[in-house]
Amino acid sequence: RKEVEQDPGPFNVPEGATVAFNCTYSNSASQSFFWYRQDCRKEPKLLMSVYSSGNEDGRFTAQLNRASQYISLLIRDSKLSDSATYLCVVNFPRGIRTGGGADGLTFGKGTHLIIQP
Amino acid sequence: DAGITQSPRHKVTETGTPVTLRCHQTENHRYMYWYRQDPGHGLRLIHYSYGVKDTDKGEVSDGYSVSRSKTEDFLLTLESATSSQTSVYFCAIRSGGPLNEQFFGPGTRLTVL
Repeated sequence: RKEVEQDPGPFNVPEGATVAFNCTYSNSASQSFFWYRQDCRKEPKLLMSVYSSGNEDGRFTAQLNRASQYISLLIRDSKLSDSATYLCVVNFPRGIRTGGGADGLTFGKGTHLIIQP
Repeated sequence: DAGITQSPRHKVTETGTPVTLRCHQTENHRYMYWYRQDPGHGLRLIHYSYGVKDTDKGEVSDGYSVSRSKTEDFLLTLESATSSQTSVYFCAIRSGGPLNEQFFGPGTRLTVL
């Protein structure tokens, strides 16, 4: 089973619509969760961290369900500028010498979103 | 802006040649990471560093080595480049927060012919 799984899309959504992405992760020891956004040929940029109680940042809402091991991202009132690839990212400890927290993140392959005028 | 630069930004090289990529940060972060990104794969961790001279392997470390002689610089070396190492390489730093939020440099696009 892949560690972090996302629907690759593309999701073609009209401007102003609401769109939701889900992501599942395999490791129940995962400690922290994120959504990153990546534009074509650019670096990933942190969109938001995902907290256990769920969190909202403007038009963006993230939810975490630890029991079912999935994370969601909801985008309301979508804008043309929201067109990008959205990466689901999970952190779980893997290192031997360093213990938890210092190790790298595990990325999903991303969901491609296209907002259409 | 996390104050991360990478050099070179683009490089074309031939199979068998050594290549070194540099990541430079200006904010004294302790943890630094090297990832590669390829079509059909998520970003994958190559190596990371948790302090000067302290490094460890990631999931795709074969064929790569790293060095960190000072806090601000983290070098990734391909001792003898192969075509399978054609990729986009991203450096990242970890923020000081408890969640291991990471911030990425602009990337280096490497082509091995």
